[in-house]
Amino acid sequence: GAVVSQHPSRVICKSGTSVKIECRSLDFQATTMFWYRQFPKKSLMLMATSNEGSKATYEQGVEKDKFLINHASLTLSTLTVTSAHPEDSSFYICSARDSHSYGYTFGSGTRLTVV
Amino acid sequence: AQTVTQSQPEMSVQEAETVTLSCTYDTSESDYYLFWYKQPPSRQMILVIRQEAYKQQNATENRFSVNFQKAAKSFSLKISDSQLGDAAMYFCAYRSYRSGGSNYKLTFGKGTLLTVNP
Repeated sequence: GAVVSQHPSRVICKSGTSVKIECRSLDFQATTMFWYRQFPKKSLMLMATSNEGSKATYEQGVEKDKFLINHASLTLSTLTVTSAHPEDSSFYICSARDSHSYGYTFGSGTRLTVV
Repeated sequence: AQTVTQSQPEMSVQEAETVTLSCTYDTSESDYYLFWYKQPPSRQMILVIRQEAYKQQNATENRFSVNFQKAAKSFSLKISDSQLGDAAMYFCAYRSYRSGGSNYKLTFGKGTLLTVNP
């Protein structure tokens, strides 16, 4: 079945630094990818919709300059958390929509801890 | 905007028994997709079942089935013969039938934590 590889699975960074999270569709093309944030025992909160070759669409309240999204190819989208602060600590999940099967496949998530 | 409501934060079921998880949604659209996703402790999101609103027949996947009531905007999930491996957070989700960009996004409910007792 379709697989989405998300890396890293865990990352600890110092406050003020930037962290990049990668999301790669391994066996299908994904013109659209999504980035979610999830707090413990809570639902997935959509941060932005990433479209290949164009600017991401951010949800209301999400700082686009802080959460930089790049979708440069049909198989790769990246989320960069810039100038990270402890309040950015969370679980981040990506999802890719298969252009042919119309299914959604999720990455395994990244636990970000900012110290 | 569409909203998805899961009114049961937690549910429990005995192994081999049947449990039903509730989901209601609000939309002005006539065509759309509905999903149930499972998130076990590993936190990997797994598709359980999917329903197209234009299909009257309820979707079924092995021990999982839905009761889709379009007029009532209700989409409940029934798990039969519950197994220990079914223990997880279950999310109901909605997607517009329209195509393009943000129309493809999934709107999730808050989730129901299912515990399966041996």
